[in-house]
Amino acid sequence: QVQLQESGPGLVKPTETLSLTCGLSGGAIRSTMYYWGWFRQPPGKGLEWIGTIYHSGTAHYNPSLRSRVTISTDTSKISLSLSSVTAADSAVYYCAGPPDVGPENDYYYYMDVWGKGITVTVAS
Amino acid sequence: EIILTQSPATLSLSPGEGATLSCRASQNVITFLAWYQQKPGQPPRLLIYDASNRATGIPDRFSGSGSGTDFTLTISRLEPEDFAFYYCQQRSDWPLITFGQGTRLEIK
Repeated sequence: QVQLQESGPGLVKPTETLSLTCGLSGGAIRSTMYYWGWFRQPPGKGLEWIGTIYHSGTAHYNPSLRSRVTISTDTSKISLSLSSVTAADSAVYYCAGPPDVGPENDYYYYMDVWGKGITVTVAS
Repeated sequence: EIILTQSPATLSLSPGEGATLSCRASQNVITFLAWYQQKPGQPPRLLIYDASNRATGIPDRFSGSGSGTDFTLTISRLEPEDFAFYYCQQRSDWPLITFGQGTRLEIK
């Protein structure tokens, strides 16, 4: 079973760029079929999808964040960059990925492996 | 953007009772809907995918139903560990994903 671990600074200043990394370990990765996503959850609020990246490097972003977000990947980690942050970007950030099945299985299209999350606070 | 509306916002029940949680989509999502459980300080846990399929390791007291715009998560006999937040999520707009605002299932 693949395991995910988010890392990065817990405090970011307003107007700066938030940069997080999600490390992958363990399990067998179907390297040509996998995709990974970033999500966030502001304190006391619900879940928000930030974006998804395929192993090929193709990324898709939440339209509300598209102008500020970049997600990139290599074989062992996924990176998130969010520019011009404000207090509204304070949240727990999660990376997540699908179960170890192929795209012919509908289960593939749902996030079944999650990191524990990292709390990021935007404050001066 | 597909909007998912969950009801009720809070559900107060006792262990052993049955729970019914609802999720309504602003447009037809066919059966491309999932349910997640989240406990404080933990990441979401996938329970149900494609409206009615249990994810790996999920007890059979959890079941999902529905299609189109109306979906239901049913927990047949509440265990103490089932009291948590529940979110629905659609993937009809793949790769664009949206979540409902959540239902809090609390102990009465």
